[in-house]
Amino acid sequence: ETGVTQSPTHLIKTRGQQVTLRCSSQSGHNTVSWYQQALGQGPQFIFQYYREEENGRGNFPPRFSGLQFPNYSSELNVNALELDDSALYLCASSLSGGAHGELFFGEGSRLTVL
Amino acid sequence: ILNVEQSPQSLHVQEGDSTNFTCSFPSSNFYALHWYRWETAKSPEALFVMTLNGDEKKKGRISATLNTKEGYSYLYIKGSQPEDSATYLCAFHSNYQLIWGAGTKLIIKP
Repeated sequence: ETGVTQSPTHLIKTRGQQVTLRCSSQSGHNTVSWYQQALGQGPQFIFQYYREEENGRGNFPPRFSGLQFPNYSSELNVNALELDDSALYLCASSLSGGAHGELFFGEGSRLTVL
Repeated sequence: ILNVEQSPQSLHVQEGDSTNFTCSFPSSNFYALHWYRWETAKSPEALFVMTLNGDEKKKGRISATLNTKEGYSYLYIKGSQPEDSATYLCAFHSNYQLIWGAGTKLIIKP
């Protein structure tokens, strides 16, 4: 087990709704990154937070937003849900956001948008 | 657009046989190459983080090589066991983000 926990594990929403996904980092890790994985594809980088500041963002629209809290846990918020947002959302924590640090993943939150 | 390709997409291997698969990535702006194993219903688990051209890393029966000049990495599994069944993902670290391949799904036949 990695010590990274995500909630909820599964959820169903309808188009236009908003969703919040949560992630608790492994103890001592100050960096959290979020990924979207659609069926049959590799994970796509959404954004990364380091010590409560966003310090990197992938090619996702502004309706994907996040927060990192003082205890380094994190939230991913998605507004105005679209059908294509249906995917597995993975959170990963690391000791730093650098290239050499391995990521510790949670088991993901599976979002279905109807 | 930066792209990471993994081949083959899936692979069936007899228990006890050795196997290998490939990760291809851009040869410019290289920072690191990551390999992860992802078993069904679990979370991805780091195998290797490789940074230097010519790097070879080993963990038990699994090893990996890296060629940053030509943009490829090989993952080898020696004497496959049923517990090796998983999807193996590679990711290329460019600047501040990891760019992932779609994975190679390995199925070990007893």
